[in-house]
Amino acid sequence: DTGVSQNPRHKITKRGQNVTFRCDPISEHNRLYWYRQTLGQGPEFLTYFQNEAQLEKSRLLSDRFSAERPKGSFSTLEIQRTEQGDSAMYLCASSSPDGSGSYEQYFGPGTRLTVT
Amino acid sequence: AQTVTQSQPEMSVQEAETVTLSCTYDTSESDYYLFWYKQPPSRQMILVIRQEAYKQQNATENRFSVNFQKAAKSFSLKISDSQLGDAAMYFCALQGGSEKLVFGKGTKLTVNP
Repeated sequence: DTGVSQNPRHKITKRGQNVTFRCDPISEHNRLYWYRQTLGQGPEFLTYFQNEAQLEKSRLLSDRFSAERPKGSFSTLEIQRTEQGDSAMYLCASSSPDGSGSYEQYFGPGTRLTVT
Repeated sequence: AQTVTQSQPEMSVQEAETVTLSCTYDTSESDYYLFWYKQPPSRQMILVIRQEAYKQQNATENRFSVNFQKAAKSFSLKISDSQLGDAAMYFCALQGGSEKLVFGKGTKLTVNP
């Protein structure tokens, strides 16, 4: 089990450019989540998928943000026309029902985005 | 709206001593779960312990235990016999009515040798 992986680990981009991040969940997990974490704060939920269906989106997810999980495996998060306020750590997590009603989420190492 | 509040931005403890991190939450859900996550510097977040709201018994995982006070909406984490490797950011999180986690702002724990 290789855990949740995210690529790239770091991304520096200029304001106005588009960026795309990738998340590979734990192989048997059918749920995948995206969070954003700014300095000194806890992670904030962005969106989540059950298989390929996007089931919930936060109001934080402006129309410049789009996430996909085309085959129910890996997911991509794209930010168009980046702004300095998009600078943050983007975390991916995955889970599968554990029989208790909870979905214990396993986090990846994150992608740190810096917009200059 | 669900909220999680961690009122201690930073805490410190001597190695081998015990420390308690505080967390309060608010939710209108009757079924929910509470978690403590640990985020070491430049490393990924890992689950420390979880509590199902319907269980009255406090969860315990080795040196980590919680004090879950449902009526007071309080969920504190006790770390016994603190070790240098316990130094990290600790986040309290709530999951209820939705699969998303709602996190507090975190408590930075320093362990002094």
